[in-house]
Amino acid sequence: AQSVSQHNHHVILSEAASLELGCNYSYGGTVNLFWYVQYPGQHLQLLLKYFSGDPLVKGIKGFEAEFIKSKFSFNLRKPSVQWSDTAEYFCAVNPASGTYKYIFGTGTRLKVLA
Amino acid sequence: NAGVTQTPKFRVLKTGQSMTLLCAQDMNHEYMYWYRQDPGMGLRLIHYSVGEGTTAKGEVPDGYNVSRLKKQNFLLGLESAAPSQTSVYFCASSYRIMNTEAFFGQGTRLTVV
Repeated sequence: AQSVSQHNHHVILSEAASLELGCNYSYGGTVNLFWYVQYPGQHLQLLLKYFSGDPLVKGIKGFEAEFIKSKFSFNLRKPSVQWSDTAEYFCAVNPASGTYKYIFGTGTRLKVLA
Repeated sequence: NAGVTQTPKFRVLKTGQSMTLLCAQDMNHEYMYWYRQDPGMGLRLIHYSVGEGTTAKGEVPDGYNVSRLKKQNFLLGLESAAPSQTSVYFCASSYRIMNTEAFFGQGTRLTVV
């Protein structure tokens, strides 16, 4: 079955620390890849997306992600986190064929200490 | 531009009661989705629709029904609510199936007692 794995369930960092959140997916064909963020009490918002082309994708708020096809990975990075980055982060995959749906990982809850 | 709007935002139901969650989008999107979000489990797809008049089952469809009578609306029904359906429900829509993101509503927090 198609799946998305996020290995870090809870991450605690101090402000200015660097962030990397892992995401791996199991689908072998062409995929669209996404990172969404959910601030406390809010809905999911798109951070960045990858459809094709340059595997290094830049998103909003200084986030970036790198698609490594050979590793089926799409890891999220930020060089220096801020207290306002405290949120839950979801990786999502949309396979190019088969059923029409976005498949989400279980999420990573990030807490940034001021 | 409202985007994706969910009604209601909060609801408490007694076991066995029924209710309908409404999702409305004003972006002329073809595809719509209902997810439930539970702690430690991420978002799981309940049902989805690839166009007006069509619906399909997702990962966790049991206990839910849906209808897409109008392109802009996607209704999620609980015929006989159970405590296991206590969750936060998110509706989403997308313009097409590939090379586009999904847009999410604000969510409905449902508690079944």
